Amino acid sequence: DGGITQSPKYLFRKEGQNVTLSCEQNLNHDAMYWYRQDPGQGLRLIYYSQIVNDFQKGDIAEGYSVSREKKESFPLTVTSAQKNPTAFYLCASSIASGIDNQPQHFGDGTRLSIL
Amino acid sequence: QQPVQSPQAVILREGEDAVINCSSSKALYSVHWYRQKHGEAPVFLMILLKGGEQKGHDKISASFNEKKQQSSLYLTASQLSYSGTYFCGTASRYYGGATNKLIFGTGTLLAVQP
Repeated sequence: DGGITQSPKYLFRKEGQNVTLSCEQNLNHDAMYWYRQDPGQGLRLIYYSQIVNDFQKGDIAEGYSVSREKKESFPLTVTSAQKNPTAFYLCASSIASGIDNQPQHFGDGTRLSIL
Repeated sequence: QQPVQSPQAVILREGEDAVINCSSSKALYSVHWYRQKHGEAPVFLMILLKGGEQKGHDKISASFNEKKQQSSLYLTASQLSYSGTYFCGTASRYYGGATNKLIFGTGTLLAVQP
């Protein structure tokens, strides 16, 4: 079955440490997205990528970095510069950016906490 | 700017109806609706593309008023499975040059009780 796989499900970060969240999709989607969700709040866009080797900052990109070397993979690194990383991180993909009638498909998320 | 959803939370008995509203200060091109159960991924419900468009999905339907820059989600004869948090995601055609880039609303928590 096609879908989006996020790993790990739970992640703990120590002070000053960078951590990387994995997102893999086998839906052959061009566009991929990373969102952050804080308790009781909506989803906020961190980064998005419309095509391999290209990505753009979202609304809250500071303290995060991404890469898009392969169509199916869009890892997110939470750097030590992100002072408040505790949140639920969701990865999503869609057939193509610029096509308005395409839904976004989400992974099951990674819950990141500070030790 | 983040769209505002109302109400923030609603409690229903099975079989009752509910309306969730999503309002934006920006001109909208499309509105997406998603439902998220606690600790799970959001699940796509429907997309409305044109002003005045209405869509239905089982007993869940939605409308899009382009002039008022708002969309409403209608849940009729609610079932226990409808419980969760509902989010609207709005797209403005020229926002960042990518029309599929969504800004999600604040969410509406819906609890359906037996």
